[in-house]
Amino acid sequence: EAQVTQNPRYLITVTGKKLTVTCSQNMNHEYMSWYRQDPGLGLRQIYYSMNVEVTDKGDVPEGYKVSRKEKRNFPLILESPSPNQTSLYFCASSLGTGRNEQYFGPGTRLTVT
Amino acid sequence: GESVGLHLPTLSVQEGDNSIINCAYSNSASDYFIWYKQESGKGPQFIIDIRSNMDKRQGQRVTVLLNKTVKHLSLQIAATQPGDSAVYFCAENIGGFKTIFGAGTRLFVKA
Repeated sequence: EAQVTQNPRYLITVTGKKLTVTCSQNMNHEYMSWYRQDPGLGLRQIYYSMNVEVTDKGDVPEGYKVSRKEKRNFPLILESPSPNQTSLYFCASSLGTGRNEQYFGPGTRLTVT
Repeated sequence: GESVGLHLPTLSVQEGDNSIINCAYSNSASDYFIWYKQESGKGPQFIIDIRSNMDKRQGQRVTVLLNKTVKHLSLQIAATQPGDSAVYFCAENIGGFKTIFGAGTRLFVKA
């Protein structure tokens, strides 16, 4: 089954404790992206990747890191999480560039206390 | 600045009626537009897209209209059903790179 998976689905952590949210897709998509969703603000793009080793900032990259060492994986790293990073996070992938339908993962709900 | 917005945060329609969800965008460089549907507890799901060289595109029960003159995008859902109840997002893509989402419109379908 073609899908985007994220882990963990739920995470409660404390300020400053490094964490990684994994994202994997099995569709051989070149483009992958991370978004955060907050009430009233819709989805805001954090980082995107056009292909292996090619990443760039979205609109809200501060406090986040990403890497794209393999085509299928695009982990999101929070080196020192803060409470304002409490949010619902979605990973997405699409064929080619971002000018195609993006397939979204199920989301990761992160709470930073 | 770059923004994609929606005219109405909520929309309530009677089952069987047509729904129209509107969206305004501000970036003239955007060349690809998408509508997504998000049901509670799930990730957004693609509905329909349109490229900037088109002004209308039809899918199954859905139509997207693009008016580049006034930077306006709309999603029309024909014969709205209870299963259409969800939050709808418009999004614009710039050059195949950045994607900007609107804040969303919640659609309620009354039986």
